[in-house]
Amino acid sequence: GQNIDQPTEMTATEGAIVQINCTYQTSGFNGLFWYQQHAGEAPTFLSYNVLDGLEEKGRFSSFLSRSKGYSYLLLKELQMKDSASYLCAVNAGNNRKLIWGLGTSLAVNP
Amino acid sequence: NAGVMQNPRHLVRRRGQEARLRCSPMKGHSHVYWYRQLPEEGLKFMVYLQKENIIDESGMPKERFSAEFPKEGPSILRIQQVVRGDSAAYFCASSQGGGLNTEAFFGQGTRLTVV
Repeated sequence: GQNIDQPTEMTATEGAIVQINCTYQTSGFNGLFWYQQHAGEAPTFLSYNVLDGLEEKGRFSSFLSRSKGYSYLLLKELQMKDSASYLCAVNAGNNRKLIWGLGTSLAVNP
Repeated sequence: NAGVMQNPRHLVRRRGQEARLRCSPMKGHSHVYWYRQLPEEGLKFMVYLQKENIIDESGMPKERFSAEFPKEGPSILRIQQVVRGDSAAYFCASSQGGGLNTEAFFGQGTRLTVV
């Protein structure tokens, strides 16, 4: 079957660093996406990994290990506005039939 | 450059009625994807369309649901004879190409409530 696992909730302090993990078991793999979704809003694209390693983009970085079926999203210098749900999604096929995790709800406290 | 526009934002329908959800992709985007997000559940792929073509509808229920993306105008997701279980947020995303690393932009979603 297809399965994406993420922690349900995380809490962190403003200015700190937080790592959100995602593990996946899918029939195929053509890349992993991270999206941010504020309550009642559209998901917004954060990162895309298809090769092993770390991709850095400003305060956000994403890591992928295909052999382990594992990815993480690293958020540095946390700000209050980073409080949101973070969605991990895997493209298991040849098109955008993404398989989505349930999301990790991150609360950033002052 | 407007983003992906979905309307209406909120839609209330009685059981048995039809729901029509519209999605206008970003300018220059010819690939549209529809997803459904049920309460307490993750996003679920429904259908992938290009102009005038359905590429993949494997995530869409066989009955009552249909989608189109005509040459002119928005993409439409149609749900006939709605039931309570259809209550969900329906998101549309668009991309310029179909490449796997092409960034897809999401609309604000349509929240359908069936009463």
